[in-house]
Amino acid sequence: GAVVSQHPSRVICKSGTSVKIECRSLDFQATTMFWYRQFPKQSLMLMATSNEGSKATYEQGVEKDKFLINHASLTLSTLTVTSAHPEDSSFYICSARDRVWQFFGPGTRLTVL
Amino acid sequence: LAKTTQPISMDSYEGQEVNITCSHNNIATNDYITWYQQFPSQGPRFIIQGYKTKVTNEVASLFIPADRKSSTLSLPRVSLSDTAVYYCLVGALNSGNTPLVFGKGTRLSVIA
Repeated sequence: GAVVSQHPSRVICKSGTSVKIECRSLDFQATTMFWYRQFPKQSLMLMATSNEGSKATYEQGVEKDKFLINHASLTLSTLTVTSAHPEDSSFYICSARDRVWQFFGPGTRLTVL
Repeated sequence: LAKTTQPISMDSYEGQEVNITCSHNNIATNDYITWYQQFPSQGPRFIIQGYKTKVTNEVASLFIPADRKSSTLSLPRVSLSDTAVYYCLVGALNSGNTPLVFGKGTRLSVIA
């Protein structure tokens, strides 16, 4: 099946710093990518939908100025958590869609101290 | 998007067959039913997908009745490594910008 990678797999940062997470579709082109967030013992919650070359669409309650999404190419989307705070600590999962289905990355564990 | 309802948790002993049922009363004609498995700190892993009747692969079977308002994931002879959260999702193929929406999932605990 199609492969989606994320980098880094885990990151620890200080409060107030910014963190960038990369999502790549390795063997297919993804015109649409999605970002999810998952807190402990909870389900995946959709944060935003991004299309290559256009602005992302954010779900209600997700701050677009805090979670910057750039989908610059058909194989790469980045999520930047700006001015991170401890409450942003979570598991971030990206997903990429080919023409038929949606495939998930392995996730990135963000810990903000 | 169709909402799904699953049991919050299930326990099973090793070697037993586990059946997890998901309700999706509002499933649309072009929706498929897909099950994912998730281990802690990992992304969701595709298990099986079907549209109607029965689908079987090397990992599981998926039973879908004629009205498609529910589906049952069957895991034969579970082992400790099957302890995970299982999600049932419904969605159409070729659905463009429409994302898959996760429900609460079923936390399966396999006991020795």
